Amino acid sequence: EPEVTQTPSHQVTQMGQEVILRCVPISNHLYFYWYRQILGQKVEFLVSFYNNEISEKSEIFDDQFSVERPDGSNFTLKIRSTKLEDSAMYFCASSEGTAPPTQYFGPGTRLTVL
Amino acid sequence: GDSVTQMEGPVTLSEEAFLTINCTYTATGYPSLFWYVQYPGEGLQLLLKATKADDKGSNKGFEATYRKETTSFHLEKGSVQVSDSAVYFCALSDKTSGSRLTFGEGTQLTVNP
Repeated sequence: EPEVTQTPSHQVTQMGQEVILRCVPISNHLYFYWYRQILGQKVEFLVSFYNNEISEKSEIFDDQFSVERPDGSNFTLKIRSTKLEDSAMYFCASSEGTAPPTQYFGPGTRLTVL
Repeated sequence: GDSVTQMEGPVTLSEEAFLTINCTYTATGYPSLFWYVQYPGEGLQLLLKATKADDKGSNKGFEATYRKETTSFHLEKGSVQVSDSAVYFCALSDKTSGSRLTFGEGTQLTVNP
């Protein structure tokens, strides 16, 4: 069964460093998403991406964040200058469409900012 | 804005017990409703969904009915197993909010043999 994959499973970085989280969505999916879950809190939407551009973003997704689909298979989330409060589990998801959006999630990348 | 509220957890049950996890929602439009499950060390997996009022979603013995009048989507299972131990998330997607999923807090379920 096709699945969303994410690398790395755990990333440790120093405050102020740039990190890139990688995702490989399901191959025939067209819509891509990033969510995050800070420990003990809700899963929160960050951004959705379709047709090589951001279709929607939350208030969390500020100028420190960017997303890219650098080739036909990868979908990346970049955090330019990490802060302690960026420590969280980051989930990538993909879907075929948006009505309703049955989104399939990856296993997540745990980001720890020291 | 949209929001989802789940019953406070964690929930601990014995095997073969009846499970209910409450979920209520607030939405500006007419949302689709979902239950996702997260097993230890894994990502979120779609468990079931319902897209309109009175729809019943079901999968693996779990059921939830979309109740517009009470804005609820409670998850039930008649007889839980140890393997059902996981975190369960209620979520909604509202077209007026784009395609984003709005999640509840998650409910940790532990089933003891």
